[in-house]
Amino acid sequence: AQKVTQAQTEISVVEKEDVTLDCVYETRDTTYYLFWYKQPPSGELVFLIRRNSFDEQNEISGRYSWNFQKSTSSFNFTITASQVVDSAVYFCALSELRGTYKYIFGTGTRLKVLA
Amino acid sequence: DAGITQSPRHKVTETGTPVTLRCHQTENHRYMYWYRQDPGHGLRLIHYSYGVKDTDKGEVSDGYSVSRSKTEDFLLTLESATSSQTSVYFCAIKLPGEGTEAFFGQGTRLTVV
Repeated sequence: AQKVTQAQTEISVVEKEDVTLDCVYETRDTTYYLFWYKQPPSGELVFLIRRNSFDEQNEISGRYSWNFQKSTSSFNFTITASQVVDSAVYFCALSELRGTYKYIFGTGTRLKVLA
Repeated sequence: DAGITQSPRHKVTETGTPVTLRCHQTENHRYMYWYRQDPGHGLRLIHYSYGVKDTDKGEVSDGYSVSRSKTEDFLLTLESATSSQTSVYFCAIKLPGEGTEAFFGQGTRLTVV
């Protein structure tokens, strides 16, 4: 069975601090995709990034970076120099590629960035 | 923009009444999903569809049914609403291509009193 675990329920940091959100997944598939979404206080779900299981290169986009390690089944998300606008709930998700392409989500991590 | 519209956006209903939520898309995406979001549980899959009249259950399907009689509409029905079904419901579509992300509607906040 597929599973995504986000053990950090809530994290509070002070503005300009770096913060890492953890995501650990379980799957029997050899080919899969991983995703991160952001849900700001307004409630919409915003796609941030996807990564396939064959690409373990880290990715950086501005203040955001993602570390995918297949050996530990982790896909962690780091925000550098956090800002108040980063305050949101962040979800990690896993998608199978066979058949129905279901997306399995973690329980989310609420990030509070304090000014 | 994948063009997803959820209706209604907010609804208050009484226990025991039937409720139908609608998800409408404008771009003929094949795969559609209904999720519910609850504190401490994240997003949980209720039902999904992989084509017209092709639907299947997700992890929290009890008390819900769905229908997809045409590509653009995916309906979620609570046959007899209960207070445990108070939640925010999100519809999503899978964007075209392999391993692509889900694109979500704006959500429907349902309160069962």
